[in-house]
Amino acid sequence: AQSVTQLGSHVSVSEGALVLLRCNYSSSVPPYLFWYVQYPNQGLQLLLKYTTGATLVKGINGFEAEFKKSETSFHLTKPSAHMSDAAEYFCAVSVYGGATNKLIFGTGTLLAVQP
Amino acid sequence: DTEVTQTPKHLVMGMTNKKSLKCEQHMGHRAMYWYKQKAKKPPELMFVYSYEKLSINESVPSRFSPECPNSSLLNLHLHALQPEDSALYLCASSQELAGGQYNEQFFGPGTRLTVL
Repeated sequence: AQSVTQLGSHVSVSEGALVLLRCNYSSSVPPYLFWYVQYPNQGLQLLLKYTTGATLVKGINGFEAEFKKSETSFHLTKPSAHMSDAAEYFCAVSVYGGATNKLIFGTGTLLAVQP
Repeated sequence: DTEVTQTPKHLVMGMTNKKSLKCEQHMGHRAMYWYKQKAKKPPELMFVYSYEKLSINESVPSRFSPECPNSSLLNLHLHALQPEDSALYLCASSQELAGGQYNEQFFGPGTRLTVL
């Protein structure tokens, strides 16, 4: 069964520092992977997605992620953190539910950005 | 229009009340979803509609009743809820690609439900 694991429920970085949020997946077929961000009391917003093709995926707000099949990873990075990046981040994998697709989410990583 | 709208934003209801949550999208998506999200947890899938037909029910209690009147609208009817049903209820939609796994979902802002 497909699943994702996010290492680190809380990550704290200083403003301007590198952001690295970890996600490992388990899938018996080529996975479709996603990173979503959720700001307090809001819905989820898609940051980026990997379906096929280029393994380095660029998303919105300066985020990017690299699909590494050998490591079954899809870590999210941003070179320089901004205060506005403080939010909850969810990694997700798409699975085919027999009749339609559904997303399986990781447990989330809360990113704090210190001034 | 790449927006999913949800009404109301907040809802407080008693355990004997009947209320409904509404979700709307005009992106031409034919798959729509209801999720429940508790604080500091990921969203949990409740229902999926595909082409206005219920395709997935994740063993949700019958006090939650979904309805998809047309391809743009999704409702969630609530009756005799329990305090533990208090949560953020998220609606999402996606383009349905038959046979594929590609599934970019667009989420609404959610309805914050409190059951007293």
